[in-house]
Amino acid sequence: QITLKESGPTLVKPTQTLTLTCTFSGFSLSTSGVGVAWIRQPPGKALEWLALIYWDDDKRYSPSLKSRLTITKDTSKNQVVLTMTNMDPVDTATYYCAHSNPNNGVTWGQGILVTVSS
Amino acid sequence: QLVLTQSPSASASLGASVKLTCTLSSGHSSYAIAWHQQQPQKGPRYLMKVNSDGSHSKGDGIPDRFSGSSSGTERYLTISSLQSEDEADYYCQTWGTVFGGGTKLTVL
Repeated sequence: QITLKESGPTLVKPTQTLTLTCTFSGFSLSTSGVGVAWIRQPPGKALEWLALIYWDDDKRYSPSLKSRLTITKDTSKNQVVLTMTNMDPVDTATYYCAHSNPNNGVTWGQGILVTVSS
Repeated sequence: QLVLTQSPSASASLGASVKLTCTLSSGHSSYAIAWHQQQPQKGPRYLMKVNSDGSHSKGDGIPDRFSGSSSGTERYLTISSLQSEDEADYYCQTWGTVFGGGTKLTVL
């Protein structure tokens, strides 16, 4: 069974850097074709893709946020980390991580609500 | 740049069928997409992958009432025998990356 869980601060101040960790089980991020993505959803708004890292360390970023994002993986710890710099109140959202495998589909984490406020 | 376009809203009657559309931007007709469902106040749930040839593969536990198809740059999600719990937001996504804006489905 594949599970993912997001962790990190639920409250950050404007201009701070947000670091979120996705801890997963049930799959290996060294398996060909596997990727883990970060997605966010501001309250009452649509899903927005942020970043994706593949098993071979190939990384993709949303063009609109690329300058603020870094995604990394630690295969030995079964973790994927997202950092987002210069946080602003408009970045208040529920942040999700999700596993994707062309053969098995997509599995979502439960999400973590991050509020940006002074 | 890859863009996915969805109608903001759709509605259909209880027990009827509805077909939701996701349109890929020009030049991306070979792309597979994923469909996700988000019921009110819940997290997203993966429904299926739809390939450019119209084949689809569903996630675990997804009812047979849900099916996918494809034509050119359009990817479809068809829900038959609509039930009240199908009232939700539906998002398409290119595999692992960009999302469409979502369609809010109302079951009348």
